[in-house]
Amino acid sequence: GAVVSQHPSWVICKSGTSVKIECRSLDFQATTMFWYRQFPKQSLMLMATSNEGSKATYEQGVEKDKFLINHASLTLSTLTVTSAHPEDSSFYICSASIHGTEAFFGQGTRLTVV
Amino acid sequence: AQTVTQSQPEMSVQEAETVTLSCTYDTSENNYYLFWYKQPPSRQMILVIRQEAYKQQNATENRFSVNFQKAAKSFSLKISDSQLGDTAMYFCAFMKRSRGDSNYQLIWGAGTKLIIKP
Repeated sequence: GAVVSQHPSWVICKSGTSVKIECRSLDFQATTMFWYRQFPKQSLMLMATSNEGSKATYEQGVEKDKFLINHASLTLSTLTVTSAHPEDSSFYICSASIHGTEAFFGQGTRLTVV
Repeated sequence: AQTVTQSQPEMSVQEAETVTLSCTYDTSENNYYLFWYKQPPSRQMILVIRQEAYKQQNATENRFSVNFQKAAKSFSLKISDSQLGDTAMYFCAFMKRSRGDSNYQLIWGAGTKLIIKP
């Protein structure tokens, strides 16, 4: 199956700094990638849909100025958490779909803001 | 709006037993995909099984099979001969086409925590 690589797998940062998470499709081109946030013992919450070459589409309630998404190429999307605060600590997951028939997921990133 | 409901927050069975996880969904669309994903403690999402709505035949993958009832909008997962490695969160998901473009968005159930006891 297709492989999606997400990096880093975990990161600790100081409050007020920014953190970038990368999501790469290794063996296919992903015109669309999805970014999720997952709280402990909960389901995945869609944050935004990332489209190659255009602006991301954010879900209601997600601050686009805090969670910057860039999809500069068909194989790379990045999520930058700006001016991170402890409440941004969470598990972030990216995924990509091929022709809308299946979704492939990155390994996830555990972000801890101290 | 589409919704996915998993009514069993947690289930526990003995190793080698058979277990069925329930999932119901609501949609007005006729063509869509349904999925069961497994999320073990590593938190990597793993596809267990996929069902295309236009196919009447239930999907199977080794010990995993589904009971897809389109009219009832039900999509249960049966795990036969359960193994310790099956311990994980299981999520039911529905894939729809987002309005007006080619994006494909997953709608997720709340998940069922499955524990296989030795």
